[in-house]
Amino acid sequence: DIQMTQSPSSLSASVGDRVTITCQASQDISNYLNWYQQKPGKAPKLLIYDASNLETGVPSRFSGSGSGTDFTFTISSLQPEDIATYYCQQYDNLIFTFGPGTKVDIK
Amino acid sequence: QVQLVQSGAEVKKPGASVKVSCKASGYTFTGYYMHWVRQAPGQGLEWMGRINPNSGGTNYAQKFQGRVTMTRDTSISTAYMELSRLRSDDTAVYYCARVSGLGWYVDYWGQGTLVTVSS
Repeated sequence: DIQMTQSPSSLSASVGDRVTITCQASQDISNYLNWYQQKPGKAPKLLIYDASNLETGVPSRFSGSGSGTDFTFTISSLQPEDIATYYCQQYDNLIFTFGPGTKVDIK
Repeated sequence: QVQLVQSGAEVKKPGASVKVSCKASGYTFTGYYMHWVRQAPGQGLEWMGRINPNSGGTNYAQKFQGRVTMTRDTSISTAYMELSRLRSDDTAVYYCARVSGLGWYVDYWGQGTLVTVSS
């Protein structure tokens, strides 16, 4: 099975900062890579699908890029409401796998 | 609007089974795969498997093979996830999750069901 790694596992940044999270797959997954945001006590929410497509209604400060094995998720200007844990998720051969998550908070 | 409404919290003893339901509304139930994802306290998301509500066909994560059964009742637009031989490390919030018809990503989630396994 494909393994997913994410880095960093946590980060602290100031409001307005640019935040970048990386996700790496153990083998080529083309662009089958999605990003979710999860706030405490809530279900995850889709932000980016197929590596770089912004889900409808999601603010444009969120973006994604990459293909193959290396992917990047960016918040261009961190806002207080972005405090959450972010997960990448891949699809391959009928199986979903989530990354371990990156917890983002405000400095 | 699309809604996935799950059954309520459960407390089970080790070795028992639990069956969680997920009632779908606002869309054609048989048209979209339903997945199950769990999250242990303070931990990340773990994919358990999926069911094709149209055919009833299933695919399970290797970790849960032999212990998990996913079924559906199309007459009431409800999916079920049953986990047997429960252990304390099965304590988690269990989510049903609809996968988009346009790609391999979850576009709607249930509210989650807390299953606590304790003697």
